[in-house]
Amino acid sequence: GAGVSQTPSNKVTEKGKYVELRCDPISGHTALYWYRQSLGQGPEFLIYFQGTGAADDSGLPNDRFFAVRPEGSVSTLKIQRTERGDSAVYLCASSLLPVAEQFFGPGTRLTVL
Amino acid sequence: QQQVKQSPQSLIVQKGGISIINCAYENTAFDYFPWYQQFPGKGPALLIAIRPDVSEKKEGRFTISFNKSAKQFSLHIMDSQPGDSATYFCAVPPHTNDYKLSFGAGTTVTVRA
Repeated sequence: GAGVSQTPSNKVTEKGKYVELRCDPISGHTALYWYRQSLGQGPEFLIYFQGTGAADDSGLPNDRFFAVRPEGSVSTLKIQRTERGDSAVYLCASSLLPVAEQFFGPGTRLTVL
Repeated sequence: QQQVKQSPQSLIVQKGGISIINCAYENTAFDYFPWYQQFPGKGPALLIAIRPDVSEKKEGRFTISFNKSAKQFSLHIMDSQPGDSATYFCAVPPHTNDYKLSFGAGTTVTVRA
C-alpha cells in the first residue's frame, strides 16, 4: 500500500489483558515512530525505531509498554496488564530518514473496559 | 519533551474567511516545522512544512509564516472552505539530538457555509 497501515482499527479489551497493535510503515522508510493521542490532545511520542533497534524509548509510560521491529519493517506495540488509563488512539508514523516528514497511519483506537 | 503552545483552542470562520493558528516553542535543534491536519477518526496528515531558510511558505490556500527570533510560527488558511473543517496541529522537532516531534494541543477549525 501507499501509506502507513495499522491493525486493528479498533480494539476493546478488559482491564488486565494483554494487547498487541501492529504497524506496517511505508515501504523503504527506515524510521518508525509510535505516538499516543488522548481525546482532545495532540499526539505524544512513545518510541522511535531506526531500522530494527529502538533508538529512543523515552516516551513509553512504564514497563508495561514494549515495542519491537524485528526485521526493520513492521512494528508491534505490546501492552501488558492493560489499565483503563491506557485507553487512547495509538498512532504509528514512518519517515524516509530521521527528522524528515513523518507520515501517520489511521491509528488504533484502544478501549480498556 | 519541549513545550509547544498552540492557540487558539478552537475557531469558527465563515466560508471565504481567513483562519489563523499560532504556535510557540522553546528550543529546537532542527529547522523543520510541520503542520498536520486531522479529521475525526483519521490519523494526522502532513499539510505543509517549512524549513526556515525562508520566513514564509505558501502552498495553495495554506501559508506558514515563521519568526525564528520570536520562536513562533503560524498557519494561515485563506479562503476557508467547509472541507477545511478539521483539527490542526503544529509540531516542533526536539531540542536535543533525537527525532521525536512535540505536538501542540490542536486547534479545531469550523468553517461555516
